[in-house]
Amino acid sequence: GAGVSQTPSNKVTEKGKYVELRCDPISGHTALYWYRQSLGQGPEFLIYFQGTGAADDSGLPNDRFFAVRPEGSVSTLKIQRTERGDSAVYLCASSLEPGNTEAFFGQGTRLTVV
Amino acid sequence: GEDVEQSLFLSVREGDSSVINCTYTDSSSTYLYWYKQEPGAGLQLLTYIFSNMDMKQDQRLTVLLNKKDKHLSLRIADTQTGDSAIYFCAEGLNDYKLSFGAGTTVTVRA
Repeated sequence: GAGVSQTPSNKVTEKGKYVELRCDPISGHTALYWYRQSLGQGPEFLIYFQGTGAADDSGLPNDRFFAVRPEGSVSTLKIQRTERGDSAVYLCASSLEPGNTEAFFGQGTRLTVV
Repeated sequence: GEDVEQSLFLSVREGDSSVINCTYTDSSSTYLYWYKQEPGAGLQLLTYIFSNMDMKQDQRLTVLLNKKDKHLSLRIADTQTGDSAIYFCAEGLNDYKLSFGAGTTVTVRA
């Protein structure tokens, strides 16, 4: 595609529910990144994929958060037992190879937990 | 450390220069970045500077880096209303991980 696509653009869920957030990277990009941006803050790193594997998941806040990228393209961020503190904009980025200078960000998914 | 700090707000008159300042903590950062975020839009990489450079100019944008003081600034010349946005300073902790500041909201007034 022309850019990084994230769906849905907005998601409202009830506390305790499970949600999945999808990221379609730019075609051919091997590196994929997830960030979380809380209101009034800058994005915070969550996880980095190189191909199908999570090369660094040190930013995931706890074991309720999990992300996959089974075929090395689309990635899904999964959040179990959502809490109100999970409300944020979840941003995905991709790059042809590892390298922040070439990473393109999607428009994000705004998650609201009520 | 991974703290990046920047002032929260800047108001500037149209046509004037804007200067946004940032301090960072990781002296090993290879690259430092400036991103722009407009309402409802994703993060857009504006420019970046390699840590062995003091200055980089790109059209209306000038980045200054003082590595000794870990201070980074972005100057926007001839600021326009379309420059109103949130600007984020970020340091590259490695090839794939960025540490962002909280963002500076720039408001351009006529």
